[in-house]
Formats: sequence, structure tokens, C-alpha cells
Amino acid sequence: GAVVSQHPSRVICKSGTSVKIECRSLDFQATTMFWYRQFPKQSLMLMATSNEGSKATYEQGVEKDKFLINHASLTLSTLTVTSAHPEDSSFYICSARDSRVEVAYNEQFFGPGTRLTVL
Amino acid sequence: DAKTTQPTSMDCAEGRAANLPCNHSTISGNEYVYWYRQIHSQGPQYIIHGLKNNETNEMASLIITEDRKSSTLILPHATLRDTAVYYCIVSTGTASKLTFGTGTRLQVTL
Repeated sequence: GAVVSQHPSRVICKSGTSVKIECRSLDFQATTMFWYRQFPKQSLMLMATSNEGSKATYEQGVEKDKFLINHASLTLSTLTVTSAHPEDSSFYICSARDSRVEVAYNEQFFGPGTRLTVL
Repeated sequence: DAKTTQPTSMDCAEGRAANLPCNHSTISGNEYVYWYRQIHSQGPQYIIHGLKNNETNEMASLIITEDRKSSTLILPHATLRDTAVYYCIVSTGTASKLTFGTGTRLQVTL
């Protein structure tokens, strides 16, 4: 299946700093990518839908000015956590759909996740 | 997207079939049933999906009831590496977001 990578796999930062997480589709193009957050022992929560060449669509309750999303190319979306605080510590996961595949269903390929720890 | 209900946890002996149920009584006619799993500290992995008919691939089989209100994921010969949280998701087709519920934590034991 298609491969999605994330970088970095884990990051530790100080409170107040910004952290950028990259999500790449390695062998396919993705006009749409998704960003999720997962707290310990909880399920994945969708944060936003990243659209290539346009603004991201944020889920209710997710601050768009705090979680900046840029989808500048068909293979790369970035999530920047601005002014990070300890409560932002979480497992961030991205997913992508293959834009070229003409299918009616919604198979998404997930990255391995990025563990963010804010001290 | 329709809501799904799954048991919180299940155990299965290695080598036996694991049957994971999912209720989706409010599913719409254009919604698919997807199954993903998440091994600890990894991203979710796609397993299988179906619309009306039963489906089988190299990983699992998906049995969907005739009224489409429930389904069962079958891992025919569970191994220890199948220990994971299994998510049943109902969603429409292109570009739709996936809404993850709490899933079923499957523990495969010796």
C-alpha cells in the first residue's frame, strides 16, 4: 500500500516555542490530508482537513491560529503548533488519500505519528 | 457519518479466529464500513472495507448483515501481532473524513 511518512517521530520542546511537523505522501499524490491528535488511552480526534492550495478546514474547537496547517504541494502538509504548552503534548497523526485513484470509497493511509512533549 | 458501537475489549487465543462485531444501525445507503487497527504507538492501518457484500483480503474478512446495520471483522488465525485496537468506521466516499470511535482492544494470548 501507499506510504505516508512523518517527521520528526518525536520531539521535545520548551513551553512557548513552536514546533513544525511534516507529513509526506511518499509514492502518491494527495490533494487532501488529515491531521489527528491522540491523547493517551484515547481515540484519534480529527483536528483539521488539509487541502492542497487552499485553506485548511478545522474541526469545531480546534484553534486555527494555534495549529497552523500548510499544504503547499501534492505530497507535503505541515502542522505547526505555535506557542506550545504542556497541554499540547500529544500524539499527532496525519493521513492522506491518493488523489489519482478513482474510487468511491475513502481509504486513507496513515503516517506513523509524531509524539510531542512540551516541557 | 453514522455512529458505530463496538465492545470495549476482547480476548482471543493465538491461532483461533477473532470475530470483532460492530453495530451501525443508522448507516446510510451510500456509507461504507471501514475497519482500521492501531498497534500501540503507531498510526492506524487500513484493514478492509465494504458496502453491501462480504469482503475478504489477505488480512481479514468482513461480513455485513443484509440490513447493513451491523458487521463483523474476522481475523481467521489470530497471532500475537494482531494485538491492537480495532476501529469500525462508517463513512461516505471521496474525501470524507473518518470519525474514530473508541474501538475494540483485542488482546491475543498464547
